[in-house]
Formats: sequence, structure tokens, C-alpha cells
Amino acid sequence: GENVEQHPSTLSVQEGDSAVIKCTYSDSASNYFPWYKQELGKRPQLIIDIRSNVGEKKDQRIAVTLNKTAKHFSLHITETQPEDSAVYFCAAINKETSYDKVIFGPGTSLSVIP
Amino acid sequence: DAGVIQSPRHEVTEMGQEVTLRCKPISGHDYLFWYRQTMMRGLELLIYFNNNVPIDDSGMPEDRFSAKMPNASFSTLKIQPSEPRDSAVYFCASSLYRVNTEAFFGQGTRLTVV
Repeated sequence: GENVEQHPSTLSVQEGDSAVIKCTYSDSASNYFPWYKQELGKRPQLIIDIRSNVGEKKDQRIAVTLNKTAKHFSLHITETQPEDSAVYFCAAINKETSYDKVIFGPGTSLSVIP
Repeated sequence: DAGVIQSPRHEVTEMGQEVTLRCKPISGHDYLFWYRQTMMRGLELLIYFNNNVPIDDSGMPEDRFSAKMPNASFSTLKIQPSEPRDSAVYFCASSLYRVNTEAFFGQGTRLTVV
């Protein structure tokens, strides 16, 4: 089945710097890659997603890139702010079954230091 | 819509007791997911439903776990008997039409088994 790996597991950056989180997936048939942000004690919420027919997508300070050949995708946060501190989860759709299944990576804990 | 509603928010129970977690998905959403979140294992997909039908329960850890969705607006996750290692945050999420769209998470139920 699908396996999603995520690196790094923890990341600390200075406010204003950029942060990059990378994920790899195993199922070459996966075609949807969302990113969720979970603040401490709260629910995960979708922040951005990308489909396999697109190489890059941006939304203000966040962007996601996808390399289908290498089966990896990355989240980029520019001009980081303290409110970006959270756990970020990448996910990939497992198309092994006739119904899709969302498999999450283990998460990256991002700390933005003021 | 109030979003995905889970109850209770917190549950403390003694080992061996039955625990029932409840979820009301967003009206009109036809996918419902149950996740378990722990520090060690991250976000694990336990089971998901499409149009009230269980599609994949391969993530359910043991026979002690069961889930039902008797109608489009209600689902339960039951643990009987509960064990200390079941302590975790359990999230319910729903999405519209297909898995590769945004999944909206509930606030979660923090379960502690003593």
C-alpha cells in the first residue's frame, strides 16, 4: 500500500526566514497531495493541496511543488511568522483500492522563533 | 453548518469499560473518516465510510474496535473493552463527493483509559 514519509520531523526557523518540508510517497498512481496544519490542541485543517497535473501551486506565503517522477512533494513557507508554528502533515491518496484512501505522513513540528 | 461535531470532547474511563465516540458529519458530505492520533504513530486512518457503507477498515487495530454509520448524519466508534494503550485523540472527518477533496475534521475526542 501507499507509504508517505516526511522530513524533517522537527524544524525551527527564525521569524522571517523560509521553511521547507519534504514528503515522499510510494504509489505512483497517487494523484492528490494535500497539506494540513494542526495548531496545538486543535484539529488539522487543510492549507493547500496540489493535483498531479500541476507542478507548483502558490497561495500567498505558502507554496507546494510536486515532482511526480521522483515521487516527492514539498511545502514552502516564506516570511515565516510565529503563528505558522504548528504541526504540518502531508498526505497522498492511495489508489490501490477502487476507493481512494488518504494516507498521512508522520508530521513535521515547525517552530518559528520570534 | 457548524462543521463536523464530535462528542464527547474528553473521556476518561477505566480499563475494561466500553467507550463510544460519536460524530456528526457536515450535512451533504458522503465520506466519513475516523482517525486516531498519538505522538508515537501520528494520524492513523482507522476506517472510512462512503454513503454510510464501510469501505476500508484495515486500519482498525483489533476486534475490540468497531464503527457504525446507521445514517448519513451519525457515526460511532466503539471500543470494548478499552485498554490504556487506546488512549489517544480520535478525530472524525468528512468530505464531499470524493476523498481527494478537503477533509473537514471535528474537534476530536481525547480519550484517556486508566
